[in-house]
Amino acid sequence: GAGVSQSPSNKVTEKGKDVELRCDPISGHTALYWYRQRLGQGLEFLIYFQGNSAPDKSGLPSDRFSAERTGESVSTLTIQRTQQEDSAVYLCASSPRLAGMGPYNEQFFGPGTRLTVL
Amino acid sequence: AQTVTQSQPEMSVQEAETVTLSCTYDTSESDYYLFWYKQPPSRQMILVIRQEAYKQQNATENRFSVNFQKAAKSFSLKISDSQLGDAAMYFCAYRRANAGGTSYGKLTFGQGTILTVHP
Repeated sequence: GAGVSQSPSNKVTEKGKDVELRCDPISGHTALYWYRQRLGQGLEFLIYFQGNSAPDKSGLPSDRFSAERTGESVSTLTIQRTQQEDSAVYLCASSPRLAGMGPYNEQFFGPGTRLTVL
Repeated sequence: AQTVTQSQPEMSVQEAETVTLSCTYDTSESDYYLFWYKQPPSRQMILVIRQEAYKQQNATENRFSVNFQKAAKSFSLKISDSQLGDAAMYFCAYRRANAGGTSYGKLTFGQGTILTVHP
C-alpha cells in the first residue's frame, strides 16, 4: 500500500514569503506528526494531530508556524514570513492510532520536504 | 523534559565487522519506549529496532541488537556483520508510554551518528 507522501519534495523560497507544505498520511491512520530536521541534526517535534482532538502545538517554534488537518486526512504546515533559520527538512509521520500503553503503533515517516529560504 | 544524547557524531566500520553506536537519555518516567531509526541519503526514516522499558530482555532484529541499561539510562545499538547498505545516519529516539498529557506520542530524537561502512 501507499506510504506517507509529502509535497513538494523541495521548495526554494525568498525570505519573507509564505510557504505551504503538504502531508498525505497512510489511509486510516488517525495520528499525524510534523517534525523539523535542521542540517546534520536530529528531528524536532513540531505538532501532533489525533483524530478530532485539539492538536498538540507545543513544538511550534513561533507564531509564524501553523498547521491544519482535515479529519484524518491531509495536513498542511504553513510557515509565514519565512526566515533563513527556517531552512530545514520538514518530515511528516502517521500512525494507526493514539500510541498509548499496550501494543506500540509505529510512526511511518514520509520522505520530507527540503525547504531552503534564500 | 526528556533528552536524548548521541555522543558519537561519526563512526566507521569495515564490512562484515561489528560496530556499536551509543545513546544515553534522561527521563524521570519509568515506562517508555526507545528506538533506533536509520536515515539513508533518501531522507526516509526507517525503524530499525525498538525496546520497551518494562522489558529486561534486550531487543534483537536479525543483525541488530541493543544493550539496554535502564539504571544507567543507556541504550546502545550493535550492528553485526555490517553491510554496505547499513551506511546511513542513525538516530536514537525516546517516547513516553503513559497516556497522561497530550504529546506523549511524540518522539524525542538524539543528534544522530553518521555510520560509514568500508568495503
